[in-house]
Amino acid sequence: AQSVTQLDSQVPVFEEAPVELRCNYSSSVSVYLFWYVQYPNQGLQLLLKYLSGSTLVKGINGFEAEFNKSQTSFHLRKPSVHISDTAEYFCAVSDGFGNEKLTFGTGTRLTIIP
Amino acid sequence: NAGVMQNPRHLVRRRGQEARLRCSPMKGHSHVYWYRQLPEEGLKFMVYLQKENIIDESGMPKERFSAEFPKEGPSILRIQQVVRGDSAAYFCASSPPSGPYTGELFFGEGSRLTVL
Repeated sequence: AQSVTQLDSQVPVFEEAPVELRCNYSSSVSVYLFWYVQYPNQGLQLLLKYLSGSTLVKGINGFEAEFNKSQTSFHLRKPSVHISDTAEYFCAVSDGFGNEKLTFGTGTRLTIIP
Repeated sequence: NAGVMQNPRHLVRRRGQEARLRCSPMKGHSHVYWYRQLPEEGLKFMVYLQKENIIDESGMPKERFSAEFPKEGPSILRIQQVVRGDSAAYFCASSPPSGPYTGELFFGEGSRLTVL
């Protein structure tokens, strides 16, 4: 069975400061990892994903994440946040066995302070 | 190019009534997933369907919940005899037919069910 842990339920950050949202996973098989963003009253939108290859993946809106197999982590980072980054961020894992069934973490609410 | 369409966006039901939530996947997509988001929690997988087939329903409660994806028309998530604990946001997501694995799900804006 797979699971995802997002340790921080809320992260307040000043505008233009850097941010890191933490995600750890557990899985007994090869994994595929994702970060989704949810703006208020909207559905989820894919930010970035790791399927294979380079462990540093870049996504939309200036976000990037690094897959660390030894630490079973997939932390999300952005060097300088903007007010528009205020949203809920979800880390997810898939076993990739022919479908896109995802196991999600509980989410991290990112609040940008002007 | 319409995305995943869900309706209704908001639904209020009294305890014991039935709730029907509809989902039309993106054009060209034949896989549909339903997820439930309870307050202050992440999304929990409920069911995965392809046209006329339930592929994986391991996340569906054993009673009162059912899902279908007919050959024609939207996918429907049906909750019979709703209880207050069913109050949640229900999200539908779709993905394309089999091909190179992308892992990406395309989500609708959700249907928010409130049970009084």
